[in-house]
Amino acid sequence: EVQLVESGGGLVQPGGSLRLSCAASGSTFSDYWMTWVRQTPGKGLEWVANIKRDGSEKHYVDSVNGRFTISRDNSKNSLYLQMNSLRAEDTALYYCTRDVTHYGPGGSYFDAFDLWGQGTMVTVSS
Amino acid sequence: AIQMTQSPSSLSASVGDRISITCRASQGIRNDLGWYQQKPGKAPKLLIYAASSLQNGVPSRFSGSGSGTDFTLTISSLQPEDFATYYCLQDYSYPRTFGQGTKLEIK
Repeated sequence: EVQLVESGGGLVQPGGSLRLSCAASGSTFSDYWMTWVRQTPGKGLEWVANIKRDGSEKHYVDSVNGRFTISRDNSKNSLYLQMNSLRAEDTALYYCTRDVTHYGPGGSYFDAFDLWGQGTMVTVSS
Repeated sequence: AIQMTQSPSSLSASVGDRISITCRASQGIRNDLGWYQQKPGKAPKLLIYAASSLQNGVPSRFSGSGSGTDFTLTISSLQPEDFATYYCLQDYSYPRTFGQGTKLEIK
């Protein structure tokens, strides 16, 4: 069965650090871009960061740029999110997602998140 | 960042109803848009990509339309399992941005 399993969440004080992991199984991990998405309690979804198949390209939402680092280890089928200088507003459920690319006419392509983990909760509080 | 605005924020409907949810982008995004369904305590599920393409395994009562700035998700005949929260997501540019969600409730 193809699945993503996140781990590493927990309670951390403001200014602290945490490293999230996402273990992928059942598919060729290195074939896909991967993304972290978070959801604040009772609120909506926020795209956080993504990383190219070989790790050579990364993108971040402004609110985490410079504090969070996304990385991957294709030999271990794993995705990571190093979170530093954590703030109360980073409190959320963090999902790991697989990006599937669909190709259309004329060289067009479309990305979508076709596989999600169950999420790992991060709470930033003193 | 591109802002995605969904309407309505919540919607009450009955089983068998036809409903539509709209998503408006703050600038043109071609048809680089997906729709996701989320049930309480569960991860979101991909329904539609490229504005109108149905993800494998998703019932045909779900459909998407639109291009540019205005998009619509339509459910042709609501089933009990469709009551959930729906989100749009643009994949035109970085950072990717979600709409704020539309909660679909049973009337």
